[in-house]
This record gives sequence, structure tokens and C-alpha cells, in this order.
Amino acid sequence: DTAVSQTPKYLVTQMGNDKSIKCEQNLGHDTMYWYKQDSKKFLKIMFSYNNKELIINETVPNRFSPKSPDKAHLNLHINSLELGDSAVYFCASSQRGTSYEQYFGPGTRLTVT
Amino acid sequence: QQQVKQSPQSLIVQKGGISIINCAYENTAFDYFPWYQQFPGKGPALLIAIRPDVSEKKEGRFTISFNKSAKQFSLHIMDSQPGDSATYFCAATDSWGKLQFGAGTQVVVTP
Repeated sequence: DTAVSQTPKYLVTQMGNDKSIKCEQNLGHDTMYWYKQDSKKFLKIMFSYNNKELIINETVPNRFSPKSPDKAHLNLHINSLELGDSAVYFCASSQRGTSYEQYFGPGTRLTVT
Repeated sequence: QQQVKQSPQSLIVQKGGISIINCAYENTAFDYFPWYQQFPGKGPALLIAIRPDVSEKKEGRFTISFNKSAKQFSLHIMDSQPGDSATYFCAATDSWGKLQFGAGTQVVVTP
């Protein structure tokens, strides 16, 4: 059983389009995260939800909108895609009290042309 | 501004050798210091973690050394194996649960 899954694994799209990435975890965790990993492999947190409530919102363009329908799912919608959005996006989950121990999904490689 | 500084950017070690990766931080509010391992095409995975009131933690061939007064910590990989070839990230968490990563170290273990 996959602990944290993301779909799609690859996403190639043109500038200006809108796209979504979905994430699901079956670990029973109460906190989920979105990270962006750039071409230099630097990992930066974007958002975090605890029990469907947004608790971390880094300085991310408002073209990015996370949505958590329940505590097992966290989706990321991106409007008006730009070339600089090309990256690998990782979803992760943890229990709130042990946030140092995060379980990452396999990533979604987004390429904007 | 990167809150956790990591070095070196890359290192090559022979099989059986020791790999050492160093990290430094400024924020004394950090309360946990994990290390993550990432293989190509995969997500990062927790390798080992330490609290700031502990000076050393060992799990198998992996050891974290922590120097609270210097605000530095390091990962030692003993008896490095080709299967250890990966990118290693040090990190730190604050009370909000935010995980701040270092820039990563690509480790290559040659046969």
C-alpha cells in the first residue's frame, strides 16, 4: 500500500494554463504539506494543512491555491502557469506533534513550456 | 534566506569510507533536527533525527553529532556503500512544524 500518493507523476503544459495536482495519504496523519523542489534540488515548503485548516502559508504567488477536502487529501491548483513554475512538487504528511517526521509522496514533475 | 546552511554541495567517497556532511543554523527556536535521504526520482525519506538536548545519535551506520553551543550538526555515514549514493538533506523544525531544509549534499560512493 502506498502511504502518500500523488497524481499525476508527470505534467507537461503550456504557459497560461491551469492545472491541479492531487495528493492522498493513508497513514492516518492529521497534517499535510506541499513542497516545491527546484532544478537545484532545493526543497521549500509552500503550504501546510492541519485537519483541513491552513496553518502554514509561505510567500507563494496567489496563483497557487491548496484545498483540503478532508484530512487525508490535499490538492494543489495552479492558475495561469508560468515558466518559473516548472519544478517537482512533493506532497507530505505527518502527525502535528512529530512534524520532523514527514512522509513524502513520489513527486509530480511539472514542466511548463 | 536559507535558515539551515549545508556543506559540502557534493562529495565522492570510496566504498568503505566515511561520508561527513555538515549543517549550521541560527534560529535557536528550532526544536528538532532531522536528516532526509533522497534517491533520484523519489521523494525524500527520513533517515535519522536528533533533539537539541542530545549530543549524538546513532542508527546503524548513520550518526548525527550535535553541537548546540556552536549551532552546528553533522551526519556521518560509516562504511559507505554504493547503495548510499543519494542526496542528503539536513533540516530543522520550529514550533509551527515548519521543516526548513538545507540545500542538500549529493553523495556518490564509488565501488
